[in-house]
Amino acid sequence: GAGVSQSPRYKVAKRGQDVALRCDPISGHVSLFWYQQALGQGPEFLTYFQNEAQLDKSGLPSDRFFAERPEGSVSTLKIQRTQQEDSAVYLCASSQALGGAGEKLFFGSGTQLSVL
Amino acid sequence: QKEVEQDPGPLSVPEGAIVSLNCTYSNSAFQYFMWYRQYSRKGPELLMYTYSSGNKEDGRFTAQVDKSSKYISLFIRDSQPSDSATYLCAMSDTGANNLFFGTGTRLTVIP
Repeated sequence: GAGVSQSPRYKVAKRGQDVALRCDPISGHVSLFWYQQALGQGPEFLTYFQNEAQLDKSGLPSDRFFAERPEGSVSTLKIQRTQQEDSAVYLCASSQALGGAGEKLFFGSGTQLSVL
Repeated sequence: QKEVEQDPGPLSVPEGAIVSLNCTYSNSAFQYFMWYRQYSRKGPELLMYTYSSGNKEDGRFTAQVDKSSKYISLFIRDSQPSDSATYLCAMSDTGANNLFFGTGTRLTVIP
């Protein structure tokens, strides 16, 4: 595709509900990243995939957060038993390079999650 | 203390002004320095990319990195209303998988 596509654009969840956020990276991009951006803050790293392998999940805030990329293209970020502090914009980014250092990332528009 | 500090602004300037945006950081291992522009309800878009120290110019934009002071800057000349956005600095070190972002500075250029 022309860019990184994320869906849904907006998601409202009741506290305790499970949510799934989808990311379609740029075709052929090997690396895929998830970031969390709270209101008025910069993005914070959550996790990194190289093809289907999740090489870094050090930024996931709790075991309620889970990400997968089973075929090395589309990725899903799942949040179980959502809490109000999970409310944020979840950004997906992709890159054609291997590794993370100094990569030029292409970001999607994000999914804005509101937990009530 | 956060790894990357950035004045959140907001910053308002008249059209045609020179804008200076800055970040400081604490990790001396950072080697890659970037500036991203983020329009409202959009994802960040890469604007400038610099490796190690020095200056880089691209049209109206100039990025400077001073590793000795752990200080980076972005200058925008002849600012335009279309430059109104949030500007995020970001950086990483060799071998890292993630970028460390500043909080972003919200810029408004008034026609």
